[in-house]
Amino acid sequence: ELKVEQNPLFLSMQEGKNYTIYCNYSTTSDRLYWYRQDPGKSLESLFVLLSNGAVKQEGRLMASLDTKARLSTLHITAAVHDLSATYFCASDTRGSNTGKLIFGQGTTLQVKP
Amino acid sequence: DVKVTQSSRYLVKRTGEKVFLECVQDMDHENMFWYRQDPGLGLRLIYFSYDVKMKEKGDIPEGYSVSREKKERFSLILESASTNQTSMYLCVSSFQGAGTQYFGPGTRLLVL
Repeated sequence: ELKVEQNPLFLSMQEGKNYTIYCNYSTTSDRLYWYRQDPGKSLESLFVLLSNGAVKQEGRLMASLDTKARLSTLHITAAVHDLSATYFCASDTRGSNTGKLIFGQGTTLQVKP
Repeated sequence: DVKVTQSSRYLVKRTGEKVFLECVQDMDHENMFWYRQDPGLGLRLIYFSYDVKMKEKGDIPEGYSVSREKKERFSLILESASTNQTSMYLCVSSFQGAGTQYFGPGTRLLVL
């Protein structure tokens, strides 16, 4: 069964701290997507990782991809309250580019002052 | 700026009604998808389309159908709405090839 699993599912952290969300996937795809969802809203694209070793950064968020380990990470640096949201990773279901994604369960991040 | 719009943000329907959810994108994307999102179950793919008049079943197509008569528009149809179809419905579009997938704002459907 094709699976995408995130860890942890819930994360409460203090402002200013660092943390990492892990995304393990069992598909053979080498593409990995990260999204953010605010309560009651739709998903917003954060990163698209297209190859082994890919690293992308936007502000306090950095995502990386290890296709050999079938692992992607989303690293949060010096968290701020505005980063509170649910983060999803997703993998393409087969080979390259079908756009048909399998999503992880989501990690709800709560950043406390 | 890519825009994916959905016809309704909130919808309340009765059991047995036929329901149409419309999605329109303005970026000439080939790929369009319909997902539903439920607490504890995450996002699940209902149907998708890679081109006009093409459609393929996703993971949970039962009780749904779709229509893609024009490239920019992808409609999800609930033939006879049931209470277990109460959910958040998300439309997504993208180019073929790698890259970003764009989500619509979502439609929260309540079936009474």
